[in-house]
Amino acid sequence: DSGVTQTPKHLITATGQRVTLRCSPRSGDLSVYWYQQSLDQGLQFLIQYYNGEERAKGNILERFSAQQFPDLHSELNLSSLELGDSALYFCASSVTGNTEAFFGQGTRLTVV
Amino acid sequence: AQSVTQLGSHVSVSEGALVLLRCNYSSSVPPYLFWYVQYPNQGLQLLLKYTSAATLVKGINGFEAEFKKSETSFHLTKPSAHMRDAAEYFCAVSDGVGGNKLVFGAGTILRVKS
Repeated sequence: DSGVTQTPKHLITATGQRVTLRCSPRSGDLSVYWYQQSLDQGLQFLIQYYNGEERAKGNILERFSAQQFPDLHSELNLSSLELGDSALYFCASSVTGNTEAFFGQGTRLTVV
Repeated sequence: AQSVTQLGSHVSVSEGALVLLRCNYSSSVPPYLFWYVQYPNQGLQLLLKYTSAATLVKGINGFEAEFKKSETSFHLTKPSAHMRDAAEYFCAVSDGVGGNKLVFGAGTILRVKS
């Protein structure tokens, strides 16, 4: 158990819908990262937050957004969902932005 | 920009044999390099990391990796494979500056035959 908690574990939704994925980082970790793992794109970095502020952005679509709250948990919001958004979404956390990241078990999103 | 190439999407070894998973990286700055393992239906677990200290890095579960700057490589090895090593392995690179976002390779699925 990495100490990073992601909910829900599985999510099935229809095209055009909006979902929110939640991540609780390890105790004491200030930085949160979101990654997407899909069969065609592999593992891709989406976005990083550090102590509530956006630190780095990767291949995140405009339909997706994230935030980190004062209690350091983070949410990834995915809207206007398409079939191609079906993937495993991982959250990771680290103490700072420059130490190794620990990954949660992921949320498997299926868009039908 | 940074990138990682993992040679061989599938590697098959016999139990007790040497495991060698290949990783080459490209980075314009001194890299931080990582190996992660992913078991079926689970998240990623850090095996080991290189952060410019010793070039030979020892990790968990008997794995180790050697950083070779001249070859831009960071291959993962284990002297003797166990059935429990069957999983997917990812090599990743980070610039470690201003953020720890990881650039992953495509992954190598390791199969261990009895």
